[in-house]
Amino acid sequence: GNSVTQMEGPVTLSEEAFLTINCTYTATGYPSLFWYVQYPGEGLQLLLKATKADDKGSNKGFEATYRKETTSFHLEKGSVQVSDSAVYFCALAPNAGGTSYGKLTFGQGTILTVHP
Amino acid sequence: DAGVTQSPTHLIKTRGQQVTLRCSPKSGHDTVSWYQQALGQGPQFIFQYYEEEERQRGNFPDRFSGHQFPNYSSELNVNALLLGDSALYLCASRHGTLHTGELFFGEGSRLTVL
Repeated sequence: GNSVTQMEGPVTLSEEAFLTINCTYTATGYPSLFWYVQYPGEGLQLLLKATKADDKGSNKGFEATYRKETTSFHLEKGSVQVSDSAVYFCALAPNAGGTSYGKLTFGQGTILTVHP
Repeated sequence: DAGVTQSPTHLIKTRGQQVTLRCSPKSGHDTVSWYQQALGQGPQFIFQYYEEEERQRGNFPDRFSGHQFPNYSSELNVNALLLGDSALYLCASRHGTLHTGELFFGEGSRLTVL
């Protein structure tokens, strides 16, 4: 079956530091890949997505590139802010779009804390 | 524009009881998915409803059942509650006919089983 593995957490950084959160996946076919973020007291929000190999998703200074050869979708940001403190989830949908977008497989989440 | 709303936000039940959780999708959405999120874990897919029918189901026992109403709102029912059912239950909605329609999540209903 499909699975997503995220790096062990939590991650603690100082403001303006570089962020990488690793994500690898196992899936058959051509999955779509996502990063979701959960801010304290809020619901999960889509941060970015990529639907095919070599696609780069980006939003709010965050980026992730769909690497089929390494089955990875690592999240990066060049300079984090205190407001980026949240839980980040890597996820995949079995196919590119359609009903599969409702059936996501999530990683275990990575807690990010950014200090001033 | 209201997003996905869920009720109740918190509830406590005892083993063997039954629980019903409710979800109103985001305006314009017609497809609802339910997820279970145990403490410290990522959400796990339970099932998805579209046009009032269960379309896809994850690896959950038959004690978990659902319903979708003509106004697209949905309920999740769990029978014969176990301690292990304690979790945050998330509802998510999307526009089913949009090929890449984004999934929007509610804030969840936290169930504690004693």
